[in-house]
Amino acid sequence: DAGVTQSPTHLIKTRGQQVTLRCSPKSGHDTVSWYQQALGQGPQFIFQYYEEEERQRGNFPDRFSGHQFPNYSSELNVNALLLGDSALYLCASSLEGFNTEAFFGQGTRLTVV
Amino acid sequence: GQQVMQIPQYQHVQEGEDFTTYCNSSTTLSNIQWYKQRPGGHPVFLIQLVKSGEVKKQKRLTFQFGEAKKNSSLHITATQTTDVGTYFCAGHASGTYKYIFGTGTRLKVLA
Repeated sequence: DAGVTQSPTHLIKTRGQQVTLRCSPKSGHDTVSWYQQALGQGPQFIFQYYEEEERQRGNFPDRFSGHQFPNYSSELNVNALLLGDSALYLCASSLEGFNTEAFFGQGTRLTVV
Repeated sequence: GQQVMQIPQYQHVQEGEDFTTYCNSSTTLSNIQWYKQRPGGHPVFLIQLVKSGEVKKQKRLTFQFGEAKKNSSLHITATQTTDVGTYFCAGHASGTYKYIFGTGTRLKVLA
């Protein structure tokens, strides 16, 4: 049973470019959340997807957008990349509900130069 | 907005010593989760606390949720080198889907 898988593992982009990160949730999970973790800090909530809809969003600009597909996999898109977007992007999957355990993927390390 | 703070930020202990990290939320939480992140790794779920005053144990780890559901602690007895990593609490406020992660406590264990 595969856990949460993310791709790619590492990525280098230039300022102003756009990037798409991908996440496949743990088998049986229907909810996907995305987090940004800057070096030395705790993960920051970006948004959560359930039933192909964004149902809650953290304090991130509209440059950050996402999508969830019918098979529950998800994408995170970031437009007009800034140097400050350099971080580890984590995907966490869970079952629907408020008190469910989240399983994190290994993350995508994005470096913006 | 809701904030979750952890202290200390760093802790170095000799192997065999005990370790405690404290988590404090600016708002009342519906539940709290604890994660461990090894250097270069991703957060791994340890436990969830839901009830006021709840105490849970996992071998050498003891987790506690405060009576007011605004603070929590993780205590490790007789640390081992395998305990090295950063420990995060993540608080969940009622009526939201997001978890607010604490600032983390980085633990180093000296053999």
